[in-house]
Amino acid sequence: AQSVTQLDSHVSVSEGTPVLLRCNYSSSYSPSLFWYVQHPNKGLQLLLKYTSAATLVKGINGFEAEFKKSETSFHLTKPSAHMSDAAEYFCVVSDRDTGRRALTFGSGTRLQVQP
Amino acid sequence: GAVVSQHPSWVICKSGTSVKIECRSLDFQATTMFWYRQFPKQSLMLMATSNEGSKATYEQGVEKDKFLINHASLTLSTLTVTSAHPEDSSFYICSARGGTSGRAEFFGPGTRLTVL
Repeated sequence: AQSVTQLDSHVSVSEGTPVLLRCNYSSSYSPSLFWYVQHPNKGLQLLLKYTSAATLVKGINGFEAEFKKSETSFHLTKPSAHMSDAAEYFCVVSDRDTGRRALTFGSGTRLQVQP
Repeated sequence: GAVVSQHPSWVICKSGTSVKIECRSLDFQATTMFWYRQFPKQSLMLMATSNEGSKATYEQGVEKDKFLINHASLTLSTLTVTSAHPEDSSFYICSARGGTSGRAEFFGPGTRLTVL
């Protein structure tokens, strides 16, 4: 079985300060891990993905995430927040060895960016 | 690349009618498509998985006779909400996997269904 826990439902930062969105996962197999962003009334956009290559994954818009197997974590970071980063962020896991299995979503973290 | 479209983007219907939502992969062949629903301020819940040319696999608690899924080609899947009721009002999102996406899914923009 696979599951994802996003530790914060809301995160508020000031523009220009670092962003940290926390995610812990549970997976029976070797996981693929993703971060998606959803702007209001919009579909989801893939920010980045981890699929067993480098543990530090760089994504779009300056975001990156580090896969830490010992901590079962995949936290999302960005050095400097921009107003346009305000959105809902979902951490997602997929067991790579279970064929058709779809993605399992975390509950989401709403990021607010204050001017 | 990897664009997924949905049509319509929003729909309002009367209780008891059926609504069809289309999901298309525009620039790749989607071997697998997924349908999710999302209630306000909540995460996405997987409803069903469909592979081209075969019957959809529904998640526990999802009525297959109410939510009819057809995946007739590698670029099109449809979700039909039959005899819709107000409690079916939600944001329905499809996603597609295929080509070189690996296990990543590419999501459509969603369809907001309101049943009066």
